[in-house]
Amino acid sequence: GENVEQHPSTLSVQEGDSAVIKCTYSDSASNYFPWYKQELGKRPQLIIDIRSNVGEKKDQRIAVTLNKTAKHFSLHITETQPEDSAVYFCAASKDSSASKIIFGSGTRLSIRP
Amino acid sequence: DTGVSQNPRHKITKRGQNVTFRCDPISEHNRLYWYRQTLGQGPEFLTYFQNEAQLEKSRLLSDRFSAERPKGSFSTLEIQRTEQGDSAMYLCASSSDRRSGNTIYFGEGRWLTVV
Repeated sequence: GENVEQHPSTLSVQEGDSAVIKCTYSDSASNYFPWYKQELGKRPQLIIDIRSNVGEKKDQRIAVTLNKTAKHFSLHITETQPEDSAVYFCAASKDSSASKIIFGSGTRLSIRP
Repeated sequence: DTGVSQNPRHKITKRGQNVTFRCDPISEHNRLYWYRQTLGQGPEFLTYFQNEAQLEKSRLLSDRFSAERPKGSFSTLEIQRTEQGDSAMYLCASSSDRRSGNTIYFGEGRWLTVV
């Protein structure tokens, strides 16, 4: 089955700097890669996703990149702000008619003022 | 659209007791998922339904766990003879296969503490 590895487990960056979180997956058949943000005590919420037919996707300060050959994908947050502090999870699944989503173990991002 | 709804918010139970969680998915979402999350970890897949059919159950799930979705709408997750290791947040999520992609939307989750 699919296995998703995520690192680093914790990340602290200065406000205004960029943050990068990296994930690898094991199942070459996976083709859908969402990223979720979870604030303390709240539900995970989708922030961006990417499918395997593209290598990069951007939404304002957030971007994701995907390297299918290496089975790597990354989340990039630019111009970080205090409200970016949260736990971020990457995930992978097969975008088929019925498929579970497997999550990484999470990265706790802290933004230093 | 009121989102994925779970109840109760927090359950504290004695070891050996049974507990049941209920999940109401987003209206017209035909897929429903149960995940478990412990502190410092990502959501761990437990099981999922396509309409009323339970299509997959994690091997991590012992036979003390059972989930149902009898009419393809709400779902229940029951844990029998609870153990302290069952203490976690139980998350429900739903999605629709009628839309492109497999975006799942989580409920608020429900904490279980087994004492």
